Amino acid sequence: AQTVTQSQPEMSVQEAETVTLSCTYDTSENNYYLFWYKQPPSRQMILVIRQEAYKQQNATENRFSVNFQKAAKSFSLKISDSQLGDTAMYFCAFMKHPNFGNEKLTFGTGTRLTIIP
Amino acid sequence: DGGITQSPKYLFRKEGQNVTLSCEQNLNHDAMYWYRQDPGQGLRLIYYSQIVNDFQKGDIAEGYSVSREKKESFPLTVTSAQKNPTAFYLCASSITGGGNTIYFGEGSWLTVV
Repeated sequence: AQTVTQSQPEMSVQEAETVTLSCTYDTSENNYYLFWYKQPPSRQMILVIRQEAYKQQNATENRFSVNFQKAAKSFSLKISDSQLGDTAMYFCAFMKHPNFGNEKLTFGTGTRLTIIP
Repeated sequence: DGGITQSPKYLFRKEGQNVTLSCEQNLNHDAMYWYRQDPGQGLRLIYYSQIVNDFQKGDIAEGYSVSREKKESFPLTVTSAQKNPTAFYLCASSITGGGNTIYFGEGSWLTVV
């Protein structure tokens, strides 16, 4: 079974600074997908970024980027120029390469990020 | 607007009663999911369905039941057999195949009183 570990339960950073959230995972699979989701106080889960394991290039979405280290099974999220609206819980999630009936997410326990004005 | 609608947002249940949470999507997604979230924890998969009239147990299916009679709908029943049902429940959906993104509804709070 896959496991996802987020070792930082809480983090805080000043507005406009850069912050990196850590995620490691354990799998014997070679092909898989990794995700970062954001859960603001409204509790809705919002996709931040997605990475395909067979792609060496790190995914980026505006101020959000990842550092994907496949050999180390590490998938960290970097938020640049942090904004107050980035305050949320952030979840790292793993999905095996989908065969029928196999397309589901395994989540870490989350990192609570607070952006300080 | 396209999306995933969960209802009710807040629900109170007496011990020993069954309760059903509704989930409807108009995204034309084949796959639908139910996750449970406890305070300070990540999401755990209860049930998922890849096609109509078929569903599979997730990691914590005991005390829950689902049906998938229509592509758009995936209701979750929390039965009296669920020992600790107070939690936040999230419904989700996705296109099948290719590691596609799973999209979530706004969630339902269930409290047992």
